[in-house]
Amino acid sequence: GQQVMQIPQYQHVQEGEDFTTYCNSSTTLSNIQWYKQRPGGHPVFLIQLVKSGEVKKQKRLTFQFGEAKKNSSLHITATQTTDVGTYFCAGASGTYKYIFGTGTRLKVLA
Amino acid sequence: DTGVSQDPRHKITKRGQNVTFRCDPISEHNRLYWYRQTLGQGPEFLTYFQNEAQLEKSRLLSDRFSAERPKGSFSTLEIQRTEQGDSAMYLCASSLGAGVPYEQYFGPGTRLTVT
Repeated sequence: GQQVMQIPQYQHVQEGEDFTTYCNSSTTLSNIQWYKQRPGGHPVFLIQLVKSGEVKKQKRLTFQFGEAKKNSSLHITATQTTDVGTYFCAGASGTYKYIFGTGTRLKVLA
Repeated sequence: DTGVSQDPRHKITKRGQNVTFRCDPISEHNRLYWYRQTLGQGPEFLTYFQNEAQLEKSRLLSDRFSAERPKGSFSTLEIQRTEQGDSAMYLCASSLGAGVPYEQYFGPGTRLTVT
């Protein structure tokens, strides 16, 4: 079955440093979504990517969808303490069933 | 508040008992999802509905799990003969649905503890 892996599992950064998480699917995706989950909270939608090679930016966050539509990345520039949480990618392959990745837990040290 | 709501927020039950959870999606949302999440893991897909039709169900799900969305509005998830391994956070999410993918809005979840 479809599997979605994320690396790294954990990342500790100093405030102001950059952060990147990578998402890899075992199957070609029709679209990919990114979510952020704060400790004790529920996942909150960040962005959706649909097109091969697509790049989207939200302030300090940059999202990319690979050319083969099997991988994606989230890059945060100049992290802040408010960026703390776990970032998940969720991929769909032709239907609207989403398989979530394993997540990357980000800690930002002030 | 017009977000996704779930009831109850917490449930403690003894092994072997049946439990039922309810999810009320955002009113105009056609799609409704159920996920299960354990500590340190991502949400695990259980099933999803398009209006009242259950379109996909995880093969990981045993026959003890069943979900319904009888009128295309609220949904229930029932677990029969609960086991300790069922202890987890059960998340419901809803989205618009009209032939294209839409963002999912998650509810606060129901935390199940099986003793």
